Amino acid sequence: AQKVTQAQTEISVVEKEDVTLDCVYETRDTTYYLFWYKQPPSGELVFLIRRNSFDEQNEISGRYSWNFQKSTSSFNFTITASQVVDSAVYFCALDGSGNTGKLIFGQGTTLQVKP
Amino acid sequence: DVKVTQSSRYLVKRTGEKVFLECVQDMDHENMFWYRQDPGLGLRLIYFSYDVKMKEKGDIPEGYSVSREKKERFSLILESASTNQTSMYLCASSFGTTTGNIQYFGAGTRLSVL
Repeated sequence: AQKVTQAQTEISVVEKEDVTLDCVYETRDTTYYLFWYKQPPSGELVFLIRRNSFDEQNEISGRYSWNFQKSTSSFNFTITASQVVDSAVYFCALDGSGNTGKLIFGQGTTLQVKP
Repeated sequence: DVKVTQSSRYLVKRTGEKVFLECVQDMDHENMFWYRQDPGLGLRLIYFSYDVKMKEKGDIPEGYSVSREKKERFSLILESASTNQTSMYLCASSFGTTTGNIQYFGAGTRLSVL
């Protein structure tokens, strides 16, 4: 069975703090993709990153960085120097080779950044 | 720019009513999806479609049906709305049928069934 777990339901930080959102996945596929989406209060999920199972390089995009570790089945997301605009619900998702485009989502982590 | 449009942001319906949620995408995507989002449960797939007039059940299809008469439009139908269908409904689309395609989402419809 395939599964995505985001154990942190809610996180609250003060602006400029660094914060890491955890994502642990389960799959027996050797080929799969992992995603992160952001859902601001407006409601629309916004795509942040896609990573395939053969690429374990960490990625940095501005204040955002992602750490993919196959050994621990984790794909964690770090926001450096958080800002109030980062307040949102963040979802991790998995697309296994048998899913042909269907995504399995984690429960989501609500991040609140206080000024 | 990628655009997925859901016809209503908020809907209030009565128990037993037939409800239509409409979704239109302008990217010529083959795949379209309907999810419902509930606190603590993430997004759960209701139905999806890989092509016009094709549909497949997702994880929670009970109480729902769908229609895809045109490539750009995917409708979710609640035949007889019930209070446990009060939720946020999200539509998405993606290109192709291979693994790893990015899904693009609409802004969602918050449905309340009274």
